[in-house]
Parts: sequence; structure tokens; C-alpha cells
Amino acid sequence: AQTVTQSQPEMSVQEAETVTLSCTYDTSESNYYLFWYKQPPSRQMILVIRQEAYKQQNATENRFSVNFQKAAKSFSLKISDSQLGDTAMYFCAFTQGGSEKLVFGKGTKLTVNP
Amino acid sequence: EAQVTQNPRYLITVTGKKLTVTCSQNMNHEYMSWYRQDPGLGLRQIYYSMNVEVTDKGDVPEGYKVSRKEKRNFPLILESPSPNQTSLYFCASSLRGVGTEAFFGQGTRLTVV
Repeated sequence: AQTVTQSQPEMSVQEAETVTLSCTYDTSESNYYLFWYKQPPSRQMILVIRQEAYKQQNATENRFSVNFQKAAKSFSLKISDSQLGDTAMYFCAFTQGGSEKLVFGKGTKLTVNP
Repeated sequence: EAQVTQNPRYLITVTGKKLTVTCSQNMNHEYMSWYRQDPGLGLRQIYYSMNVEVTDKGDVPEGYKVSRKEKRNFPLILESPSPNQTSLYFCASSLRGVGTEAFFGQGTRLTVV
């Protein structure tokens, strides 16, 4: 069974600095997708970034980028120039190709301090 | 606007009183699912549906029922709620087969006393 591990239950960062959230996963499949979802206090689940396993290039979305290490099964999220609005729970998630089921990590609570 | 709509957003009920949480999406997605979110556990899948009249159990299906009579609707039914079903529930929908983004509803905070 696929599993997703987020080893940092809580993190904090100063506004304008850079922070990296860790995620590792376990699968024997070669075709899969990885996601980072953000959940602000409003509870809404918002997609931050998506990575296709067959693509070697790391995905980026503005201030958000990932470090995808396929051999190590690692998928960390880097947030640059942190803003107060980045304060949220962040969930790493995995889905196997052909299956829409998302397997989530337990989440990392990020606080951006002014 | 593309969206997944859940109702109600908040619900307090008593043990054993049947309830239904509704979920509707307007994106013509085939795949719909229900998750529950508990502190320290992340989100776990309860049930999912690949298409109309096709449903299957996720990781934590005990105590829940679902139905998919129409493509857009996927209600979650708790026939006899118990306090251990107190949780935050999310409905989600997505296209099939391409690992695309899942769209989530606003969440339903359920408390069973």
C-alpha cells in the first residue's frame, strides 16, 4: 500500500524568508502523481503544485517549487519570500496513475511570523 | 464557476439520528469521493465513485453509506452516527485517469454527541 510521510508536524518562518516542507512516499509503481495542498484557516483545500512522476523537471508555481527526488521517493515543497497568507496546513498527497484516490500525509502546520 | 458544493457546513447531531451530507459538482467529473480529516491523521478516504451507480469502499468505510444516482451528486449517509464519527468531512471530484487536480468542497464539520 502507498504511504505518505510528513515528518514535520509544525514549522514556522519569518516573513520574506524561505522554508522547505518535507515529504516522503512509498510506492512500487512507476506511474504516479504527487501534490501539495494548502488548507488555510478557512478549511478550503487548495492545490499548490502538482508533479508527474515521469517528468524529471521539478514543478514550479510562482513562489512555490518542489524538489522531486524520484530514487529517494522524496517530494519537498519550497516556499520562497514567505507571506503571512501562506500560514496554513500543508498536505502532501500521492495518487497512482489510473487511480484517482489521493493518499495524504498527516500534514505540516506552517506559521509565517511578521 | 467550477465548484464542489457541500451542505451543511456545520452540523451537530445526536447519536443514532440518521443524517445526510450532500455533495454536488458542476464540472461533469466522473470521479467523486469522500474524505474525513482528523487531527494528526490527515485526510482518509471513506468511499469513492468512478461513475454513476459505481461506488466502492475507501480506507475507512465503516458506519457510512453513499449513492451515485446522478453524475453530479454524491451524498454521504450516516445511518446511525456515533461520537467517533465526529470529524471534518470533504467531498472531492476529479477527472478520471490523468492524475489531475481534485476539487474539494468547503468541508462539513460534524459533531455527534
